[in-house]
Amino acid sequence: AQKITQTQPGMFVQEKEAVTLDCTYDTSDQSYGLFWYKQPSSGEMIFLIYQGSYDEQNATEGRYSLNFQKARKSANLVISASQLGDSAMYFCAMREKADRGSTLGRLYFGRGTQLTVWP
Amino acid sequence: NAGVTQTPKFRVLKTGQSMTLLCAQDMNHEYMYWYRQDPGMGLRLIHYSVGEGTTAKGEVPDGYNVSRLKKQNFLLGLESAAPSQTSVYFCASSYPGRDWNTEAFFGQGTRLTVV
Repeated sequence: AQKITQTQPGMFVQEKEAVTLDCTYDTSDQSYGLFWYKQPSSGEMIFLIYQGSYDEQNATEGRYSLNFQKARKSANLVISASQLGDSAMYFCAMREKADRGSTLGRLYFGRGTQLTVWP
Repeated sequence: NAGVTQTPKFRVLKTGQSMTLLCAQDMNHEYMYWYRQDPGMGLRLIHYSVGEGTTAKGEVPDGYNVSRLKKQNFLLGLESAAPSQTSVYFCASSYPGRDWNTEAFFGQGTRLTVV
């Protein structure tokens, strides 16, 4: 079973509008961290935002916010006021605390969502 | 700061050849990872290391070997390259941190083509 599921292969949004990129995760751990990364066409991986499993508040970083719903195991990324430069692939990722030696430290990624912002 | 540096950036191999990809980080990170990225598949973990001298298998380890002899370096080896190993390879590193809240820093990627 996939640890991270991103069900939207592609999304389109008009400039200045908000967009939500979906991410669901699978874990039996109580302690874990959720991350979002952006990969523009140039290929580099850019860290955007982090949410800890015990954080009561949704994480925000500028125009990025994370809609964290723990019971539903979802960690959706919300981008407000989209810009043309937001066009990129977006990846959701998770690291479990997992003290069992076989998976300690693993960082799992989803398949990504290609976001296109149009004028 | 250099961050995470991958060598080489591009490489073309013939089937059956061997090669080593080098990842170097200067942030004193404990954790290092090797991923491959293929269209529609996201990033899949090949091998990773939680400290000097230790390595562990990820999701797609077959056909690859790794070594972490020095904390700052993580090597990925292909003993006998196959066309199925054509991919973009990313190295990443992170400090474990408290509450697992430390992001991973990525290298710029290595585009490998096996013909």
